[in-house]
Amino acid sequence: EAQVTQNPRYLITVTGKKLTVTCSQNMNHEYMSWYRQDPGLGLRQIYYSMNVEVTDKGDVPEGYKVSRKEKRNFPLILESPSPNQTSLYFCASSLGPDLREDTGELFFGEGSRLTVL
Amino acid sequence: KNEVEQSPQNLTAQEGEFITINCSYSVGISALHWLQQHPGGGIVSLFMLSSGKKKHGRLIATINIQEKHSSLHITASHPRDSAVYICAVSMGNELQVKTNFGNEKLTFGTGTRLTIIP
Repeated sequence: EAQVTQNPRYLITVTGKKLTVTCSQNMNHEYMSWYRQDPGLGLRQIYYSMNVEVTDKGDVPEGYKVSRKEKRNFPLILESPSPNQTSLYFCASSLGPDLREDTGELFFGEGSRLTVL
Repeated sequence: KNEVEQSPQNLTAQEGEFITINCSYSVGISALHWLQQHPGGGIVSLFMLSSGKKKHGRLIATINIQEKHSSLHITASHPRDSAVYICAVSMGNELQVKTNFGNEKLTFGTGTRLTIIP
């Protein structure tokens, strides 16, 4: 089954304790991206990756790191989490940006709810 | 001012009604997405548009690039359509549209909460 898998789905942690949220897709997609969703602010893009070893900042990259060493995985790293990073996080992937092939459909993971105390 | 504005923010309708949700944006784009977020939180892609109109079942999405506006229509609405509908744009320009390049950075509207009453 084609899917994007995020782990953990729920996490409560404390300020400053490094954590990683994993994201994996089994569709051989080139494009992957991370978003956070907050009440009243909607979804905002954190980082995205167009392919292996190619990453770029979205609108709210501060406090986050990513890596894309393999095509299927795109982990989100919070080196020193703070309470303002409490949020619902989504990973998504798509085949790529070629509009001719209509490949831009985004496939989302189920979300990871993170609470930083 | 948000670069992507959706209206209405909330919409309640009776089952069977024709629904229209609007999305306006203020910058050049290469593509526009319509997403559906279920009450449980999962997000599903409905459409990606760079021009014209697309139809899938009871859902129709249109975009007017000159007016910087898109609409999502639901015909014969059903309680299972109750969800939050989110518009997202891929910032870009006419060159990217001509070269068929989209996605990359996405900016989202804050969503329209739709409730369909049986």
